[in-house]
Amino acid sequence: SQKIEQNSEALNIQEGKTATLTCNYTNYSPAYLQWYRQDPGRGPVFLLLIRENEKEKRKERLKVTFDTTLKQSLFHITASQPADSATYLCALSNTGGFKTIFGAGTRLFVKA
Amino acid sequence: DAGITQSPRHKVTETGTPVTLRCHQTENHRYMYWYRQDPGHGLRLIHYSYGVKDTDKGEVSDGYSVSRSKTEDFLLTLESATSSQTSVYFCAISESINRVDGGYTFGSGTRLTVV
Repeated sequence: SQKIEQNSEALNIQEGKTATLTCNYTNYSPAYLQWYRQDPGRGPVFLLLIRENEKEKRKERLKVTFDTTLKQSLFHITASQPADSATYLCALSNTGGFKTIFGAGTRLFVKA
Repeated sequence: DAGITQSPRHKVTETGTPVTLRCHQTENHRYMYWYRQDPGHGLRLIHYSYGVKDTDKGEVSDGYSVSRSKTEDFLLTLESATSSQTSVYFCAISESINRVDGGYTFGSGTRLTVV
């Protein structure tokens, strides 16, 4: 069955450092890979989307890479801030864009 | 979240009773989705809609039904609630399949407890 794996252990980093989160998947050939941010008690918020034929995408302090051979995406937050503390979800979509599947997320803590 | 509203925000119900959750959008998006979120499982798709009266099943559709009689409203019904349906339910919307760039917009969620 299709599976997305994100590190279930929380990631703790110091303010100003780069946070790197990993998303691995199996039994899926996604057309799109997305990253979301979720704060406690809130719905996920869309951050970035990368297509299967793109290797890297940037938005402000965020960078996403997508390696379809390794079946892996890396999500980087540079110059991290305490306000970046949240759970980050990886999601895969088929060509139609629906039936998107989500990983369980990785909790990030940024210490001042 | 702007443009999408879920109601109620919290609900406690008894086993065996029917429950309906409502999702309302003001964005005129074609696609609407219902997900449930449980610890360790991530978000799992229950049902989705690709237009008025057009719906399809997701990964965990057993015990759930949906209806969409208007573009703006997508209802999720638990026909006979069970304790395994205790969860946080999220509604999401998206534009056409060629505009996946924008990702999904999620509501604030409904926390449902079945006792």
